[in-house]
This record gives sequence, structure tokens and C-alpha cells, in this order.
Amino acid sequence: KQEVTQIPAALSVPEGENLVLNCSFTDSAIYNLQWFRQDPGKGLTSLLLIQSSQREQTSGRLNASLDKSSGRSTLYIAASQPGDSATYLCAVRGGSNYKLTFGKGTLLTVNP
Amino acid sequence: GAGVSQTPSNKVTEKGKYVELRCDPISGHTALYWYRQSLGQGPEFLIYFQGTGAADDSGLPNDRFFAVRPEGSVSTLKIQRTERGDSAVYLCASSLQADTQYFGPGTRLTVL
Repeated sequence: KQEVTQIPAALSVPEGENLVLNCSFTDSAIYNLQWFRQDPGKGLTSLLLIQSSQREQTSGRLNASLDKSSGRSTLYIAASQPGDSATYLCAVRGGSNYKLTFGKGTLLTVNP
Repeated sequence: GAGVSQTPSNKVTEKGKYVELRCDPISGHTALYWYRQSLGQGPEFLIYFQGTGAADDSGLPNDRFFAVRPEGSVSTLKIQRTERGDSAVYLCASSLQADTQYFGPGTRLTVL
């Protein structure tokens, strides 16, 4: 059974800092990995999707990497802003099915 | 275009009652998913539809939970004899085949 772990559970940084969120998964036979953002009381917003054959994806100040063999992904946020404050969730899609398995998320607070 | 919509946004019910939660996917998306998110946890998979049929219902916790998608578009998640442990946010997502899953804002269910 796939298990996804996110470290740290919570992170507080001053505005302008670069930061890294970590995600690990136990079964490397994945189809893709997605990073989501969730604001309090809201649904999930997809940030980046990395296919299993890819090593990284970039969107603006966000960069996600994937090391499938070691079961790890990182989300790098450059020059953090208070508007980046949210919970970030990592999810993997298995190779043989469509469902996503999520981690518990990292609660990020960026202080002005 | 319009995203995934879910109704109601909030539902409060009494233990033992029956509830229905509705999901309108993005137009043209053939795949539809239901997830459940408890406080402080990541979303957990419930059921996945491809067209009108449930391709994977392995996440439904017991036979009190049932979902339908009769015309391959709108889906309804039905919960019979609700219990306090059913309280959670129920999230719906849709996608084009194996692509990025787009989530709705969720329905917050509270069972008193």
C-alpha cells in the first residue's frame, strides 16, 4: 500500500526566504506526482504535475523535482511572499490506477 | 471556463439521517473522483468514475456509502444512516483521462 509522508508538518519563514518542502513515498511504481495548494476552508489548487519520466517541473517561483527511484520529491519556493501562506499537499498516482494518495501536508506561514 | 462545483457547501445533519452530496465536473471531463478529508489529514480516495461506471470503489468505507453518475457528468455521493465519524470535507475532482485532477471547493459535512 502506497504511503506518502510530508516533512515538515509546519514551517514558518520570513518574507523573501527561499524554502523547500519535502515529500516521500514508499512505492516507486508511480505514474505521476502532483503538488497542490490548499487555503483554509477551500478546495485544492493544482500547482505542478511531474510525470514519472520527468525529473522536474517549474512554474514561476515554484520548482518541483522528482527522484522516483528514491521515492522523493521536493517543492522549492523562491522569494516567498505572505500570499504563499497555505497548506501544501503532495499526491502520487499509482501506476495501475487513477486514484491519488496524499500526504498530510505542510502548513506554510510566510510572515511579512 | 467553469471549474468543478459542489453543492451544498455545508451540510449539517443528525446522526442516522440520509444525505446526498452533488458534484458538477468540468465540462467534457470523463473521469470523476470523490475524496474525503478529515481535519489535519490529506484527502483520502473514495471512488473513481470513468464515464457512467464506477471503475474503482475500493475507498468507500462501508456499504452506507454509495455514489452514482448516471449520465456521465454530474455525480451524487449518498450516505445512509450517517454517523458522527462521517463528519469531514468531501471533495470531488475531475480530469481528462489520466491528466491533472481539478478539485472542487468541497462539501463540509457535520453529523451531530
